[in-house]
Amino acid sequence: SQTIHQWPATLVQPVGSPLSLECTVEGTSNPNLYWYRQAAGRGLQLLFYSVGIGQISSEVPQNLSASRPQDRQFILSSKKLLLSDSGFYLCAWSMKGDQPQHFGDGTRLSIL
Amino acid sequence: AQSVAQPEDQVNVAEGNPLTVKCTYSVSGNPYLFWYVQYPNRGLQFLLKYITGDNLVKGSYGFEAEFNKSQTSFHLKKPSALVSDSALYFCAVRDRTRGGGNKLTFGTGTQLKVEL
Repeated sequence: SQTIHQWPATLVQPVGSPLSLECTVEGTSNPNLYWYRQAAGRGLQLLFYSVGIGQISSEVPQNLSASRPQDRQFILSSKKLLLSDSGFYLCAWSMKGDQPQHFGDGTRLSIL
Repeated sequence: AQSVAQPEDQVNVAEGNPLTVKCTYSVSGNPYLFWYVQYPNRGLQFLLKYITGDNLVKGSYGFEAEFNKSQTSFHLKKPSALVSDSALYFCAVRDRTRGGGNKLTFGTGTQLKVEL
């Protein structure tokens, strides 16, 4: 069966520091991959998605970037974090076609 | 552009009573619709989907949803609520644009509280 891993579960970072969040999927190949941010409250905002290695689509302008160096690895990065980058970051994957997205357990990021 | 509306921020139900969480959508063409549930500090869990076919879709944990094309609605239902159903529920519609990466647009979520 397929599984998705996100780490770390929680992270506290100072303003201006770099960021790297990693997400890996097991048990499947060539998935679509997604990064979301969920602000306090509830709404989910799609940040990036990828349909293949090295293919990244950005949904909103911001100081974050994403990379997909391997088929089942998706990385979210920042060179300098802002206070507004705080939130709950969720990674998800799906197969091509009419398949649902499946989510990891998220990373709670706090910026001080 | 597609969109999803969840008109209720919170729904309160007594355990054992039926529950309904409302969702309406706006898309061009035929919709692909999904329901997810989120427990505190966890990711979203897939409950059910409507792609085509029967308007009543059955999903996980006894949940079902009714697709109504004329009302552009996709309400989530359960005949008998459990306290453990208390969670945040999201409705979503999928982007059917070719090359769109199967992106989902989520509603703002409805907090379900089931009380004894």
